[in-house]
Amino acid sequence: GESVGLHLPTLSVQEGDNSIINCAYSNSASDYFIWYKQESGKGPQFIIDIRSNMDKRQGQRVTVLLNKTVKHLSLQIAATQPGDSAVYFCAENSGANSKLTFGKGITLSVRP
Amino acid sequence: GAVVSQHPSRVICKSGTSVKIECRSLDFQATTMFWYRQFPKQSLMLMATSNEGSKATYEQGVEKDKFLINHASLTLSTLTVTSAHPEDSSFYICSAKRDVWGYTFGSGTRLTVV
Repeated sequence: GESVGLHLPTLSVQEGDNSIINCAYSNSASDYFIWYKQESGKGPQFIIDIRSNMDKRQGQRVTVLLNKTVKHLSLQIAATQPGDSAVYFCAENSGANSKLTFGKGITLSVRP
Repeated sequence: GAVVSQHPSRVICKSGTSVKIECRSLDFQATTMFWYRQFPKQSLMLMATSNEGSKATYEQGVEKDKFLINHASLTLSTLTVTSAHPEDSSFYICSAKRDVWGYTFGSGTRLTVV
């Protein structure tokens, strides 16, 4: 079946370094992708999104890259801070039914 | 803008009782809302799509008679867990679709069935 997955379950980075979180998706019909951050006991918080007609989008300290050829999505966080420690999910929307399918999640741990 | 309020944030109930969770879009109208369930250290799993004025669409494997969804207005959807059992203990999260590309999530409800 279709799925959205992540390559690594955990990522530990030094404060101040850049973080890169990767996500693979398998539904070639997906046309909208979102990265979410989830802190313990809270709902997902929107970080950044990208539509399939783009390959890069930048926000404040974050960049999302989309490679449709290999069905790969990545989130780059510049100058990672302790407050960035959380679980990160990628999600995809294939359009027709508006449902978001979430990836497995990766825990980002920032070392002081 | 685009705030979704979910209530209660935590609830403990006895086995066999029912629990209602509310999801409200505070500053926008949402014709479509979604209900997710999340077990510890796992991802969000979609349970059902709630459509204003019509029946909810449930994902495969989700019991519609156990998880009752009502979307009576453009700003409110409710999820009722009927005859709850310990295995229903989980983190339930709602999401409201505010436009073609926008989704806003509630803060979640921690349900513990004892």
